Amino acid sequence: AQTVTQSQPEMSVQEAETVTLSCTYDTSESDYYLFWYKQPPSRQMILVIRQEAYKQQNATENRFSVNFQKAAKSFSLKISDSQLGDAAMYFCAYRSLVQGAQKLVFGQGTRLTINP
Amino acid sequence: DVKVTQSSRYLVKRTGEKVFLECVQDMDHENMFWYRQDPGLGLRLIYFSYDVKMKEKGDIPEGYSVSREKKERFSLILESASTNQTSMYLCASSAGGAAGDTEAFFGQGTRLTVV
Repeated sequence: AQTVTQSQPEMSVQEAETVTLSCTYDTSESDYYLFWYKQPPSRQMILVIRQEAYKQQNATENRFSVNFQKAAKSFSLKISDSQLGDAAMYFCAYRSLVQGAQKLVFGQGTRLTINP
Repeated sequence: DVKVTQSSRYLVKRTGEKVFLECVQDMDHENMFWYRQDPGLGLRLIYFSYDVKMKEKGDIPEGYSVSREKKERFSLILESASTNQTSMYLCASSAGGAAGDTEAFFGQGTRLTVV
């Protein structure tokens, strides 16, 4: 079974600075998807960024980018130019591509605080 | 605008009651999921369904059952609610198929309190 681990329960960063959230995972599959989701106080989960395992190039979405290290099974999220609206819980997630087993497996979450 | 709708945002039930949490999606998605969210534990999968009338146990199915009679609706049932089932419950859906859209969409959650 796949597992996802986020070892940082809480992180804080000054507004406009850069912060990196860590995520490691365990799987025996060779192809899969990885995601970072954001959950603000409104509780609505929002997709931040996704990475397909067969793509070596790291995904980027505006101020958000990932460092995907497939051999090390590491998938960190970098937020540049942090903004107050980035404050939220961030969850790393893994998704299998096996038909009938495409559940999302989540990490424990990291609470990100932005200091003005 | 894609949408996953959970029937209640807040719910208070008594110990021993049978509780139904309803989830409806309008995206014709094959996969639907029920998660439980607790501080420090992240989201844990209770049950998921990849087709009508099909269901698979997740990591913590004990004390729960599910029903999927129609593609758009996935219900979570607490047969006899207990205080340790007090939690946030999140429903999600996603398209099936390895080559298709892989994003999961979430409802706004139901905060259930069992007293």
